[in-house]
Amino acid sequence: EVQLVESGGGLVQPGRSMKLSCAASGFTFSNYGMAWVRQAPTKGLEWVATISYDGSSTYYRDSVKGRFTISRDNAKSTLYLQMNSLRSEDTATYYCTRARFDYWGQGVMVTVSS
Amino acid sequence: DVVLTQTPSILSATIGQSVSISCRSSQSLLDSDGNTYLYWFLQRPGQSPQRLIYLVSNLGSGVPNRFSGSGSGTDFTLKISGVEAEDLGVYYCMQATHAPTFGAGTKLELK
Repeated sequence: EVQLVESGGGLVQPGRSMKLSCAASGFTFSNYGMAWVRQAPTKGLEWVATISYDGSSTYYRDSVKGRFTISRDNAKSTLYLQMNSLRSEDTATYYCTRARFDYWGQGVMVTVSS
Repeated sequence: DVVLTQTPSILSATIGQSVSISCRSSQSLLDSDGNTYLYWFLQRPGQSPQRLIYLVSNLGSGVPNRFSGSGSGTDFTLKISGVEAEDLGVYYCMQATHAPTFGAGTKLELK
């Protein structure tokens, strides 16, 4: 059974950093591109970033370029999202998903507030 | 950015009724590789999104065949042939031909 389990969320002050993790199981992690998608409270879905199966290529939405870094450790079957210079508008539930968008984690909440 | 316009924003239906949701793109979603990366998702209250349809018309694993997708270029449709109670929630279209974007969502509720 494919499972994606996010962790690392919580409350953080504006301008500070936070790192999200997504532990994958039930499939060969190193064969799949992965992505992060977020959803602000009561809002719709918003793609954040994608990484290729081997980590050699990464893609970001404009509003997070230069602040967020997507990465992966295939030996640990884990996806990461390093978020720096956080803003109030980054407050959202962050979902980890395979790049085919066929499997999603349960999501982790990030609240940026002073 | 590619803008996806979903209509209607709210859809009221009775159990057993057939309904359709439209998704129109501001640019063609036909990729140079010949694929059209248009997806449909359902997000039930309090749950993660579930992929229903991929590449315009392909049914996701385990998705009931009352769901169907169609369209090409810039105009796409999701049809539910006989709404069931478990189908209630918010439906999103998404494109990944360009930098991925989602439609604003269509809330399906009981009439």
